[in-house]
Amino acid sequence: SYVLNQPLSVSVAPGETARITCGGSKIGSKGVHWYQQKPGQAPVLVIYYTTDRPSGIPERLSGSISGDTATLTISRVEAGDEADYHCQVWDSNSYHWVFGGGTKLTVL
Amino acid sequence: DVQLVDSGGGLVQPGGSLRLSCTASGFTFSSYAMSWVRQAPGKGLQWVATISGTLRDTFYADSVRGRFTISRDNSENTLFLQMNSLRVDDTAVYYCAKVGNGWSEFGSWGQGTLVTVSS
Repeated sequence: SYVLNQPLSVSVAPGETARITCGGSKIGSKGVHWYQQKPGQAPVLVIYYTTDRPSGIPERLSGSISGDTATLTISRVEAGDEADYHCQVWDSNSYHWVFGGGTKLTVL
Repeated sequence: DVQLVDSGGGLVQPGGSLRLSCTASGFTFSSYAMSWVRQAPGKGLQWVATISGTLRDTFYADSVRGRFTISRDNSENTLFLQMNSLRVDDTAVYYCAKVGNGWSEFGSWGQGTLVTVSS
């Protein structure tokens, strides 16, 4: 089955740039989606199809891909960005939806 | 605005059954596939099951296939998850989610309902 790998945690100071990675075999051939989840709340889609932002999501959040790694970049990090971030793809071969293990972003 | 309201969670003994519901509004329910995604305490998200808008197609994670059944009532804009033979490791918050047009992303989520399997 398809596997997505994320770091457990990323820490960044306010105003700096946070980069959260998501690795998977041939991930570039799949659409990668990112969700933000704050404590006690449901996930919210923040990036879809690797680079697109839903309406209402600030431009500070962006997505990219290089080789077998997708990256969620959060520029000018704010205290309110502190959350868990999950990557996800759809494996069209198996009709399975796959999540990474999630990354906790801490704003120092 | 899309709204999804999850309900039906609770405490159940191992081997027991539970039926979750998700009531949808703010979009044409029958036009979209719907899914259940769960999150065990302190863990990441895990996809559970998906059903097409037309009810023709259902898909399950290996860990629940044969025990859980996803269904929907398009006339009532409601999604269901029948969970049988529950195990301790099924303990989680269960979210319903609206699948995007491309059958790939989860664009909207319910607030979640907690299922606890314990003796």
